[in-house]
Amino acid sequence: DADVTQTPRNRITKTGKRIMLECSQTKGHDRMYWYRQDPGLGLRLIYYSFDVKDINKGEISDGYSVSRQAQAKFSLSLESAIPNQTALYFCATSDTLAGVTDTQYFGPGTRLTVL
Amino acid sequence: AQKVTQAQTEISVVEKEDVTLDCVYETRDTTYYLFWYKQPPSGELVFLIRRNSFDEQNEISGRYSWNFQKSTSSFNFTITASQVVDSAVYFCALPSGNTGKLIFGQGTTLQVKP
Repeated sequence: DADVTQTPRNRITKTGKRIMLECSQTKGHDRMYWYRQDPGLGLRLIYYSFDVKDINKGEISDGYSVSRQAQAKFSLSLESAIPNQTALYFCATSDTLAGVTDTQYFGPGTRLTVL
Repeated sequence: AQKVTQAQTEISVVEKEDVTLDCVYETRDTTYYLFWYKQPPSGELVFLIRRNSFDEQNEISGRYSWNFQKSTSSFNFTITASQVVDSAVYFCALPSGNTGKLIFGQGTTLQVKP
C-alpha cells in the first residue's frame, strides 16, 4: 500500500462549489504539506503543518483552508472553487533530522478542473 | 534566499546512453539536504535521492549516481545506461530553512528514445 494517499485522484467541478481534497499518510511523519503544480509555475506551497496544532499559510493560501484531523490526515478545502484553481495538487509528508527537513514524500496527486 | 537552477530544459538521448542532469543551488543554510525527484508522464512525484550538505562523498545506487560539490554549489545527477522508462521530468530540490517548503528547480525533461 502507498505511504501517502490522496483522494480523489481526479475531480471536475463547477465554479462556486466547495471541494475537499484529502490526504492520509502511514509514514508516521509530523510534517505535512499541500502544494499545487501549474505548467510554467512549478510547485507552490499552499499550507503546511508541523503537527496537529501547528498549521501555517504558504505562499498562495488565499481561497484555500486546511484541517489537520490527526497526525496522519491533512485535508485541503476550496471554499468556493474558481477556474484558476485548476491544477495538480500534491500532498507531501516529511520528518526532520536534527532540525533539518528531511525527505518529502508525495502523494500521487489530485488533478482538479474547475469549469 | 534559496534558489535552485536547472539550466537544461530538455535533453534527448538514445537508449543505453549515459545522461547527466545539472543542478546549481543557492542557500544561506549551513546544514541542508538536497534532493532529486522524478515526475513521469503519469504525474506523480517520485523521490530518487537525497544528499546532505556535510557529506561530499559521491555515491552510486544502481543506475543512478550523483556528484555533489559544495564549493561550486552543484548537485548533478547521472543516469547510466538510460532506458525508455527513464523518460520524465527531473527536479532538483532544496528545502527552505524555516518552513521546510521544497524549492524546486524548473525541471529538466528527459526523453529517452529506443
